[in-house]
Amino acid sequence: DAGITQSPRHKVTETGTPVTLRCHQTENHRYMYWYRQDPGHGLRLIHYSYGVKDTDKGEVSDGYSVSRSKTEDFLLTLESATSSQTSVYFCAISASSGGAAGELFFGEGSRLTVL
Amino acid sequence: KQEVTQIPAALSVPEGENLVLNCSFTDSAIYNLQWFRQDPGKGLTSLLLIQSSQREQTSGRLNASLDKSSGRSTLYIAASQPGDSATYLCAVSGGYQKVTFGTGTKLQVIP
Repeated sequence: DAGITQSPRHKVTETGTPVTLRCHQTENHRYMYWYRQDPGHGLRLIHYSYGVKDTDKGEVSDGYSVSRSKTEDFLLTLESATSSQTSVYFCAISASSGGAAGELFFGEGSRLTVL
Repeated sequence: KQEVTQIPAALSVPEGENLVLNCSFTDSAIYNLQWFRQDPGKGLTSLLLIQSSQREQTSGRLNASLDKSSGRSTLYIAASQPGDSATYLCAVSGGYQKVTFGTGTKLQVIP
């Protein structure tokens, strides 16, 4: 199994509070991604990173920010959580060298409930 | 905009049966296609990755084919087992790290 750890695995929070999810990898892969999975929508890309301090937006980036200060860690922050951000969040990594995504490996997911 | 469709959404088969899962996509300009399985409450596990220049990939009882021109991929599972029960997703990779996922086929293998 790819060495990807997500924390926390489960979190319940209230509307308006900040939330940070962490993804840690031991594979030294260049690319890291945050996806959300919702019934009826499948997996959708939030943000991705192609190196330390290098990030870009995905298709559903509004309300989310990311940071990558070390190769192994990729943080997803919800500055002010809303009920529409209740979802399961997955971190993924890829050894892609650029252009198209290479083989993706996923973490176990973080289930977030915003009340 | 790339669209990925997996039909059927759910499938139930008796143990030992050979089966085929389907994935279709609308834009044939892809770099690769990947098949995953997802168990309830778990992450996605990579099964097979097919590069756009390849026609098929095999791993154990699994065989995936790719026909870019027709926008189709199939995942063949031989001699199905109850442990194969899961949701199977395909994902198509375009440029700029754009990966489009299907919504999956939920497979149940009955002992």
